[in-house]
Amino acid sequence: QQQVKQSPQSLIVQKGGISIINCAYENTAFDYFPWYQQFPGKGPALLIAIRPDVSEKKEGRFTISFNKSAKQFSLHIMDSQPGDSATYFCAATHSGSARQLTFGSGTQLTVLP
Amino acid sequence: DVKVTQSSRYLVKRTGEKVFLECVQDMDHENMFWYRQDPGLGLRLIYFSYDVKMKEKGDIPEGYSVSREKKERFSLILESASTNQTSMYLCASSFTQAGQFFGPGTRLTVL
Repeated sequence: QQQVKQSPQSLIVQKGGISIINCAYENTAFDYFPWYQQFPGKGPALLIAIRPDVSEKKEGRFTISFNKSAKQFSLHIMDSQPGDSATYFCAATHSGSARQLTFGSGTQLTVLP
Repeated sequence: DVKVTQSSRYLVKRTGEKVFLECVQDMDHENMFWYRQDPGLGLRLIYFSYDVKMKEKGDIPEGYSVSREKKERFSLILESASTNQTSMYLCASSFTQAGQFFGPGTRLTVL
């Protein structure tokens, strides 16, 4: 079964610190790696995504780092804010699957004021 | 903006009842998905559809069925609800080359 393994399960960071969430995948056919952010009572929202032809993608304070040889990718949140407190999911998919996503198990991030 | 709406935010049903969860998207997406979300397990795919009247089983289809009669609407059906189907149900839609957009979810409790 295709898997995406995500760690840590929970993360507590001080305001202004860097939050780092890691994911590892097995299926080398994966060619699109999105991250989702979910606030309590809401559905997940697409945050940022990367394709394997680049090693890094940055959007504001959010950066994805991608290591194709290690089959790992990570989300870095710079200058973390209390408003970033949410659950974050990594995911992976490939174009031959109608974009069926395989999700990680999620990371609950708490940013302390 | 893409909008994915789900018919109910909260639903309480009794064991054995037939349950319908409705999802509508307004962006002409060809793909639609149903997930359930449980603590510690992330999102698990129940069924998906890549075209009208087409459906594919996901990772956990047992106890569920789906219907897609129109492109914008994707329904999840619990033929005979059981307590282990108490969960958050999330609908999503997408174009094939883009990420998925999720609805707000339906929290279903089966008593």
